Amino acid sequence: DTAVSQTPKYLVTQMGNDKSIKCEQNLGHDTMYWYKQDSKKFLKIMFSYNNKELIINETVPNRFSPKSPDKAHLNLHINSLELGDSAVYFCASSQHNRGLGADTQYFGPGTRLTVL
Amino acid sequence: KNQVEQSPQSLIILEGKNCTLQCNYTVSPFSNLRWYKQDTGRGPVSLTIMTFSENTKSNGRYTATLDADTKQSSLHITASQLSDSASYICVVSGPVGAGNNRKLIWGLGTSLAVNP
Repeated sequence: DTAVSQTPKYLVTQMGNDKSIKCEQNLGHDTMYWYKQDSKKFLKIMFSYNNKELIINETVPNRFSPKSPDKAHLNLHINSLELGDSAVYFCASSQHNRGLGADTQYFGPGTRLTVL
Repeated sequence: KNQVEQSPQSLIILEGKNCTLQCNYTVSPFSNLRWYKQDTGRGPVSLTIMTFSENTKSNGRYTATLDADTKQSSLHITASQLSDSASYICVVSGPVGAGNNRKLIWGLGTSLAVNP
């Protein structure tokens, strides 16, 4: 059984388009995250939600809007895609919101976004 | 400035050999340190976590050490296998940031290739 799943795995789109990436976890965790991994393999946190409530919003352009319909889902919608948005986006979840680093995070397989 | 530096950047070893990966950090205050394994095309998976008072932690053939005085950690892999080929990332949990969550400072990782 997949613990943290993301769709799609690959996404190729034109500059200026709007796209969404979906994430679901079946671990019963309270907290979910979105990370961006750039070409240098550096992982950077973008957002964190705890029980559908936004708790972390790093310096991310407002073209990126996370949406959490329930605590098992955290989707990422991106408006007006730019070339610099090309990266691998990882969703993750952890059991509690005891603070980043306190709980083990479980990562999804990633979504490779390519903006042409 | 809070930083995590890993060395070497990449490493090639023969199957069955041992190797040691290094992580130096300047994060303060320090909460804990994790080592993650990231296979190509997949999300990171947590291998070990150590707090300030722990000097060593093992997970199968993986042994992590921590010297909080010198702010250094190492990950030792014993009797390497082809499946150990991956990127190994050091992550330090540090200062409290937004939402009362501790910031996670990610290293760039060491890319390990185990050849037959």
